[in-house]
Amino acid sequence: DTAVSQTPKYLVTQMGNDKSIKCEQNLGHDTMYWYKQDSKKFLKIMFSYNNKELIINETVPNRFSPKSPDKAHLNLHINSLELGDSAVYFCASSRSRYEQYFGPGTRLTVT
Amino acid sequence: AQSVTQLDSQVPVFEEAPVELRCNYSSSVSVYLFWYVQYPNQGLQLLLKYLSGSTLVKGINGFEAEFNKSQTSFHLRKPSVHISDTAEYFCAVLFGNEKLTFGTGTRLTIIP
Repeated sequence: DTAVSQTPKYLVTQMGNDKSIKCEQNLGHDTMYWYKQDSKKFLKIMFSYNNKELIINETVPNRFSPKSPDKAHLNLHINSLELGDSAVYFCASSRSRYEQYFGPGTRLTVT
Repeated sequence: AQSVTQLDSQVPVFEEAPVELRCNYSSSVSVYLFWYVQYPNQGLQLLLKYLSGSTLVKGINGFEAEFNKSQTSFHLRKPSVHISDTAEYFCAVLFGNEKLTFGTGTRLTIIP
């Protein structure tokens, strides 16, 4: 009964490829997020969706496109992967803005 | 400008000793303050939060933090650490725009 789950846990791919990361939450939350954690552990928000609508869209390359098919899912698709995209990507969800629940992360390595 | 600063990137502490992890912020709007913990190869877990009321906040695993408005600080403390406290600790601030901003993290290493 994992609260926020992500697949895959690890993703190794070559430059130029297109890949997706999936996120699902079973907490009944309305808001979901994607964060990027770089090699220095710095965490930065990328996107936020509320009830399937995009509410936060940080300065992220157009190659990154979030998709929310329903309230419980928020997927992240990345086109034309670059070396600098290597990071750990975290999905999170929240009912209120005062507590976010994080998934276990997806470690993306671009070679 | 709004920012979150964790001055210590690494803090080594002997087991059963007290620890304080520092967090300062800069803001011209009201803030809500959080500490998250990230154990190795895991996601982040909320330790505690300050929204309003008493400035001393108690969280899970024996941690507490004190909000000091005049010093714009929200330092995390534990009176006696355990090996299992080894982790990365992130201070986070919710500024008026509802975007959670994280500090750069402090790696707490417990020495047996």
